[in-house]
Amino acid sequence: GQNIDQPTEMTATEGAIVQINCTYQTSGFNGLFWYQQHAGEAPTFLSYNVLDGLEEKGRFSSFLSRSKGYSYLLLKELQMKDSASYLCAVRGGSYGNKLVFGAGTILRVKS
Amino acid sequence: DAGITQSPRHKVTETGTPVTLRCHQTENHRYMYWYRQDPGHGLRLIHYSYGVKDTDKGEVSDGYSVSRSKTEDFLLTLESATSSQTSVYFCAISAGQGTDTQYFGPGTRLTVL
Repeated sequence: GQNIDQPTEMTATEGAIVQINCTYQTSGFNGLFWYQQHAGEAPTFLSYNVLDGLEEKGRFSSFLSRSKGYSYLLLKELQMKDSASYLCAVRGGSYGNKLVFGAGTILRVKS
Repeated sequence: DAGITQSPRHKVTETGTPVTLRCHQTENHRYMYWYRQDPGHGLRLIHYSYGVKDTDKGEVSDGYSVSRSKTEDFLLTLESATSSQTSVYFCAISAGQGTDTQYFGPGTRLTVL
């Protein structure tokens, strides 16, 4: 099976940098996704990693280490609108090509 | 934004009644998925479809059935709703190629009394 762990909640200050970690155990691996979900809304796609290393997209970056079963999402220059839940999802393993999601990390940005 | 709609957006029903949720897409994507989202559990896959009339079970399929008679529509049916099926239901679509990113619909909030 698959197991995905993320911290439940984090708090950070506007303008700062925050790193949200995700660790996973899977019998197969075919990519890791990060989604952002504001309260009461649908998840929206942020990033995709399938090879080791860092993918940068503006203020958001995502890192993957397949050997360690580890990823992080880095948010720079935090804004109040970044307050949301961040979902880590892994493709592969017992559910074939489908995604398995972690429970999500609630990020609160304070002024 | 991917063209995905869900209906209804909100529904309150009673235990034992049948309920059907609809997902409609305008992207002509091959894959469609139904998830439920509950506090502390994240998104869990109920059923998915990899083409017209082609469906398979996900992680939490008991008590649910699906049908896909057209590329654009994927229906989720609760044959006899129970209080444990109170949840937010999300539909997602993916093209089945490239990164095969899944894009989500706006969700349906279902309450079973």
